[in-house]
Amino acid sequence: ETGVTQSPTHLIKTRGQQVTLRCSSQSGHNTVSWYQQALGQGPQFIFQYYREEENGRGNFPPRFSGLQFPNYSSELNVNALELDDSALYLCASSLGWDRNSYEQYFGPGTRLTVT
Amino acid sequence: TQLLEQSPQFLSIQEGENLTVYCNSSSVFSSLQWYRQEPGEGPVLLVTVVTGGEVKKLKRLTFQFGDARKDSSLHITAAQPGDTGLYLCAGLMNRDDKIIFGKGTRLHILP
Repeated sequence: ETGVTQSPTHLIKTRGQQVTLRCSSQSGHNTVSWYQQALGQGPQFIFQYYREEENGRGNFPPRFSGLQFPNYSSELNVNALELDDSALYLCASSLGWDRNSYEQYFGPGTRLTVT
Repeated sequence: TQLLEQSPQFLSIQEGENLTVYCNSSSVFSSLQWYRQEPGEGPVLLVTVVTGGEVKKLKRLTFQFGDARKDSSLHITAAQPGDTGLYLCAGLMNRDDKIIFGKGTRLHILP
């Protein structure tokens, strides 16, 4: 148990719809990162939030957006869903970001299926 | 282009055997991590290696970071069924502090 929770566990959406995924970080962790893990692949970095501001972004289009709240929760929003967005979405929380010790605690993920 | 190549992709061996899995890149990383991921769960951090040539041991698991900080290996001694899972390596890019994951090695230990 990492103390990081995600909701919902599973979700089915139709192409073109919008979706919001939620993550509750470990208490006191001011950094949250979101990843997309397609079947048979490793996680791909979407973006990171530090103290409620975006702190880095991977190669994902603007229709992927996020929010981080003062209560250590965060959201990943995806607009205009495409079939290729079907994946496991993981959030990971950490206490700060030191390049020598960036210990991330992952949640169990949300499995999104786009039909 | 996959920046971090992991090999083998799949490995199935008998309980008690030893094994090594690899993580290779042409890029230099500030540091590198190994995770294990089980079905239905997120990855769990096993180790972070920072210095070129560094070796870390975690019970039966031995992790090594290459001298040039471009590659790493994970060696498991006397594998047990509980070692079954997806082993992911993740490198922290020198230039922009982003984390890059490999595709993973799926390990299955037969009892």
